[in-house]
Amino acid sequence: GDSVTQMEGPVTLSEEAFLTINCTYTATGYPSLFWYVQYPGEGLQLLLKATKADDKGSNKGFEATYRKETTSFHLEKGSVQVSDSAVYFCALTPTSGTYKYIFGTGTRLKVLA
Amino acid sequence: DAGITQSPRYKITETGRQVTLMCHQTWSHSYMFWYRQDLGHGLRLIYYSAAADITDKGEVPDGYVVSRSKTENFPLTLESATRSQTSVYFCASRDRTPQGETQYFGPGTRLLVL
Repeated sequence: GDSVTQMEGPVTLSEEAFLTINCTYTATGYPSLFWYVQYPGEGLQLLLKATKADDKGSNKGFEATYRKETTSFHLEKGSVQVSDSAVYFCALTPTSGTYKYIFGTGTRLKVLA
Repeated sequence: DAGITQSPRYKITETGRQVTLMCHQTWSHSYMFWYRQDLGHGLRLIYYSAAADITDKGEVPDGYVVSRSKTENFPLTLESATRSQTSVYFCASRDRTPQGETQYFGPGTRLLVL
């Protein structure tokens, strides 16, 4: 079945460091891919998304490119800030048009000043 | 306020009690969802609803009941709470556009069952 695999956390970085959080997926067809962010004590917020191969989603300095050939959607940011400390979830929804979202287990990011 | 609201935000209850978690959305999205979030499991779907009066089970429905008499409300009831239902519960709704679809989440309800 469809699945999403994220790198284990926590990820600890110094401010202004480069961030990569790996996400790979298994799905038939062409799913839509998402990154959600969850700040402490809050719900999930959509960070960015991509709906077809080679699309690049971007928001707030974060980017992720839909790579069909490697079934990946890695999240990157060139210079992280303390305020980026949160849990990041990769997710997909299948192309069949069903309601289902498949979430990864989340990766906690901690940015130190 | 536009969006999804959940109430209560925090709840402590005892084993065996009935608890209802409320969810309200202002967008008139057809689809709504209930998830639970637990360490090591990410988000797991409990129930979902495609429209008013249409609901169906998700991945982990046992011990939960839902209803949807109005499009904007989707309450989740724990009929007889158990300690294993201690979790953070998130309600979500789905927006579909020609550009694709997105789920939007409420702020969550943190439930502790003693």
